[in-house]
Amino acid sequence: EVHLVESGGLLVQPGGSLRLSCTASGFIFSDYWMHWVRQVPGKGLQWVSRISNDGSDVTYAESVKGRFTFSRDNAKNTVNLHMSSLRVEDTAVYYCARGAHKSHGNYYVGYWGQGTLVVVS
Amino acid sequence: DIRMTQSPTSLAASVGDRVTITCRASQDIHYGLSWLQQKPGKAPKSLIFGATSLQSGVPSRFSGSSYETDFNFTISSLQPEDFALYYCLQYDSYPPSFGGGTRIEIK
Repeated sequence: EVHLVESGGLLVQPGGSLRLSCTASGFIFSDYWMHWVRQVPGKGLQWVSRISNDGSDVTYAESVKGRFTFSRDNAKNTVNLHMSSLRVEDTAVYYCARGAHKSHGNYYVGYWGQGTLVVVS
Repeated sequence: DIRMTQSPTSLAASVGDRVTITCRASQDIHYGLSWLQQKPGKAPKSLIFGATSLQSGVPSRFSGSSYETDFNFTISSLQPEDFALYYCLQYDSYPPSFGGGTRIEIK
């Protein structure tokens, strides 16, 4: 069974930095793209970033480009999202999610973790 | 960027009803569409991918269809556990984008 567990969500001041982590299990981690998606409480879903199975290809939403860095460690089955220059509007629940198999290049998002809350205030 | 217009925003229905939600893409997304269910305080769960394919373990009362840039999600006979928020997601191209969501409420 696919299992994704996020951690690292905190209350942080505007301009501050934070690192979110996600540990995966139940599948061959190094075979899949991974994503971060966020949701302002009570609002809709917004895609944040995607990383390829080997970490060589990373894309970001325009709203976080230059401020967030997505990385992965396939030996530890983890992904990390380093967030800097945080803004009030970055406040959201951040979900780690499994993407498509490495043989596909689309932005499919399949399995989701339970999320971790980041509050910028 | 591709815009996904989802309707209705909410609907009230009864157990046993057939309900349909629609997403319209602003351009061709080549069947790169999935439907998600989200219950209060929980993470989204993917129900359908490729516009029409059911995820493993998802009940057959859920289905998806498509016509050009219009995508429908149908629950054939609403069950108590189906009252939730539903989103569409286009994943064909960067950046992936979600519909605004549809809340299915108990009538």
